[in-house]
Amino acid sequence: EAQVTQNPRYLITVTGKKLTVTCSQNMNHEYMSWYRQDPGLGLRQIYYSMNVEVTDKGDVPEGYKVSRKEKRNFPLILESPSPNQTSLYFCASALGTSGNNEQFFGPGTRLTVL
Amino acid sequence: AQSVTQPDIHITVSEGASLELRCNYSYGATPYLFWYVQSPGQGLQLLLKYFSGDTLVQGIKGFEAEFKRSQSSFNLRKPSVHWSDAAEYFCAVGAGTNAGKSTFGDGTTLTVKP
Repeated sequence: EAQVTQNPRYLITVTGKKLTVTCSQNMNHEYMSWYRQDPGLGLRQIYYSMNVEVTDKGDVPEGYKVSRKEKRNFPLILESPSPNQTSLYFCASALGTSGNNEQFFGPGTRLTVL
Repeated sequence: AQSVTQPDIHITVSEGASLELRCNYSYGATPYLFWYVQSPGQGLQLLLKYFSGDTLVQGIKGFEAEFKRSQSSFNLRKPSVHWSDAAEYFCAVGAGTNAGKSTFGDGTTLTVKP
């Protein structure tokens, strides 16, 4: 089944404890992206990747890191999480890198930072 | 910079009534426009998209949207709403030149009354 998977789905952590949220797609998509969703703010783009080893900042990259060492994986790293990073995170992928490509979304990761 | 505005945070309609969700965008050229739906606890799913050509586009689940360049709008419509349509709806714009950037509106939550 074609899908985007994220792990973990739920995570409660404490301030300053490094964490990684994994994202994997099995559709051989070029493009991948991370978003955070907060009430009343819609989805805001954190980082995106146009190909392996090619990443760029979205609208809210502060406090996050990403890497794209393999085409299928795009982990989101929080080196020192803070409470303002408590949010619902979505990973997405798209077949091509043009803006007209439909994005396929993972199920989301709900992160709470205490 | 591109932007998307969804003026209605929350809409309530009766089952069987018609629906229109508003979306206004700001972009220098003809944008790539999308509507996504997010059911409770789920990721986002594409309803429909517009790139060029016929300004009235059909999507899944009986939804349609009309692109109006003069009004910078891309409103989503459905002639008869079903209880299962209760969800959050997001309008999004994908850029042509800065292809990685993807901008979503803040979302409209639809409640369906029996």
